[in-house]
Amino acid sequence: GAVVSQHPSWVICKSGTSVKIECRSLDFQATTMFWYRQFPKQSLMLMATSNEGSKATYEQGVEKDKFLINHASLTLSTLTVTSAHPEDSSFYICSAGGRIDEQFFGPGTRLTVL
Amino acid sequence: KQEVTQIPAALSVPEGENLVLNCSFTDSAIYNLQWFRQDPGKGLTSLLLIQSSQREQTSGRLNASLDKSSGRSTLYIAASQPGDSATYLCAVITRGSNYKLTFGKGTLLTVNP
Repeated sequence: GAVVSQHPSWVICKSGTSVKIECRSLDFQATTMFWYRQFPKQSLMLMATSNEGSKATYEQGVEKDKFLINHASLTLSTLTVTSAHPEDSSFYICSAGGRIDEQFFGPGTRLTVL
Repeated sequence: KQEVTQIPAALSVPEGENLVLNCSFTDSAIYNLQWFRQDPGKGLTSLLLIQSSQREQTSGRLNASLDKSSGRSTLYIAASQPGDSATYLCAVITRGSNYKLTFGKGTLLTVNP
């Protein structure tokens, strides 16, 4: 099957710093990628839909100025958590695929903000 | 707003046992329903996809059913193995301005040797 990678796998940062997470489709092109956040013992929550060459669509309650999404190419989308705070600590997962029911998920990025 | 609930939250069974995981959703206007497996600290692997017009899907020891009108789905795992230990997530796909996956919190399954 298709492979989606994320980098880094885990990151620890100080409060107030910005963190960039990359999501890459390794062997296919993805015009749309999805970003999810998962808190411990909670479900994956869709944060935003990333569209190549256009602005991302954010879910209600997700601050677009805090979670910057850039989908500059057909194989790469980035999520930047700006001025991260401890409450942003979570597991961030991206997915990509041609159809919504054929999504391939990345391995996730564990963010810990001190 | 679509909400997905999974019961039980956790389940521990001896190897070889058959088991059923439950999923319910509040809005029956779904496009598809998917069951995923998530291993600790890892991404998701799709197990079964049920189209909204279908009643069930089978893959090996897994069988998923869908009762769209009542908002329920079940995942049946036959002859469970320790390698089946993982978190199982149910997700419904709805179509609004965009297609969207809404996940349940998952069932943490432990199969004991």
